Amino acid sequence: QQQVKQSPQSLIVQKGGISIINCAYENTAFDYFPWYQQFPGKGPALLIAIRPDVSEKKEGRFTISFNKSAKQFSLHIMDSQPGDSATYFCAVPGGGTSYGKLTFGQGTILTVHP
Amino acid sequence: DAGVIQSPRHEVTEMGQEVTLRCKPISGHNSLFWYRQTMMRGLELLIYFNNNVPIDDSGMPEDRFSAKMPNASFSTLKIQPSEPRDSAVYFCASSFAGEAYNEQFFGPGTRLTVL
Repeated sequence: QQQVKQSPQSLIVQKGGISIINCAYENTAFDYFPWYQQFPGKGPALLIAIRPDVSEKKEGRFTISFNKSAKQFSLHIMDSQPGDSATYFCAVPGGGTSYGKLTFGQGTILTVHP
Repeated sequence: DAGVIQSPRHEVTEMGQEVTLRCKPISGHNSLFWYRQTMMRGLELLIYFNNNVPIDDSGMPEDRFSAKMPNASFSTLKIQPSEPRDSAVYFCASSFAGEAYNEQFFGPGTRLTVL
């Protein structure tokens, strides 16, 4: 059973600050690590994902850093905005008979104060 | 496309009643997932289907839960009998399992309250 540990559980930052969320996993069939974002009353939606050939992926203010040897990856939100307030989930893919399956972390509730 | 469609959006029922949640995946997607979300347990995968066939139901809590996918455009999750601890938000998601890096698209969820 895949274990995914996400931290912190909650995070409060001021507008303009940097938000950092971490994720650790035990094993994975594929080096593909997505982050999903969920707003209240909505389903999670893919925010950004990193694939195996790079150690960092940046899209606008959002960056994923990946440390394969440590089996860890993190989400950095630069210049955090109140509109970024949401719950963030990391996920790790399964393989073999679990092909297509994602195991999600526990989630991080991010609050960005104006 | 309208995205993943779930119904009902809210369901309030009494303990012991049967509850049926419905999902219409995105057209062309061949994988469908049912998740349950609670504050205590986070986002849990209950069961998923590939090409209408159940692949992994190890997350289904107990025999009271059952899921079907009679065709590529419809799935149901049934709880019978329901219990207060089943209260949660249930999400359906779909994806195209054509490669390893397949994005899952989530529906808006069904908020279930069992009294």
